[in-house]
Amino acid sequence: QQQVKQSPQSLIVQKGGISIINCAYENTAFDYFPWYQQFPGKGPALLIAIRPDVSEKKEGRFTISFNKSAKQFSLHIMDSQPGDSATYFCAAIDNAGNMLTFGGGTRLMVKP
Amino acid sequence: EAGVTQSPTHLIKTRGQQATLRCSPISGHTSVYWYQQALGLGLQFLLWYDEGEERNRGNFPPRFSGRQFPNYSSELNVNALELEDSALYLCASSGSGPMGNEQFFGPGTRLTVL
Repeated sequence: QQQVKQSPQSLIVQKGGISIINCAYENTAFDYFPWYQQFPGKGPALLIAIRPDVSEKKEGRFTISFNKSAKQFSLHIMDSQPGDSATYFCAAIDNAGNMLTFGGGTRLMVKP
Repeated sequence: EAGVTQSPTHLIKTRGQQATLRCSPISGHTSVYWYQQALGLGLQFLLWYDEGEERNRGNFPPRFSGRQFPNYSSELNVNALELEDSALYLCASSGSGPMGNEQFFGPGTRLTVL
């Protein structure tokens, strides 16, 4: 059972544009939602995270928007750069289990 | 501050053999998590260890096992290897307190089963 659904699977954006990746979850017990960035051959790196009591969190060019009633959250990358080209994973944690449940990933390519 | 380290980087085994993968958490972190990243299957939770105890287990057969040592480092053992066990095995660690949910990953061990 895929508890976190991520879209799109792949995304091509021009340099300077906005990259938007969406995730939806089913388990209402999830209470922590991180995003990870993974480059080929590397482990995922924690990018930014949000808790459901906040509707938006911004760190530099990265913003998470969270809609608790719709059970959806999204990552916005402003002024996208070629160096942002990577695979992005949304995830969620249910404190009862403490393990990350990941979305399927989005392969982002930023064209120069 | 050193991040999560894993060894070996690559491991090649044949079907039926056993594999042992190792992980050292970030200093001060007491929880260690193991995840499998197989092609086409995404990232899947395997095991969670905290304070030397197995706290949770993902939907994997018993031939996937592990342990956590007193220094909080951890070992993942995969017995009776099958071809479909070929994957990147990732270890993550987290601390306690208000930021306890943050899990930081190591570079992974690439296991290839021939």
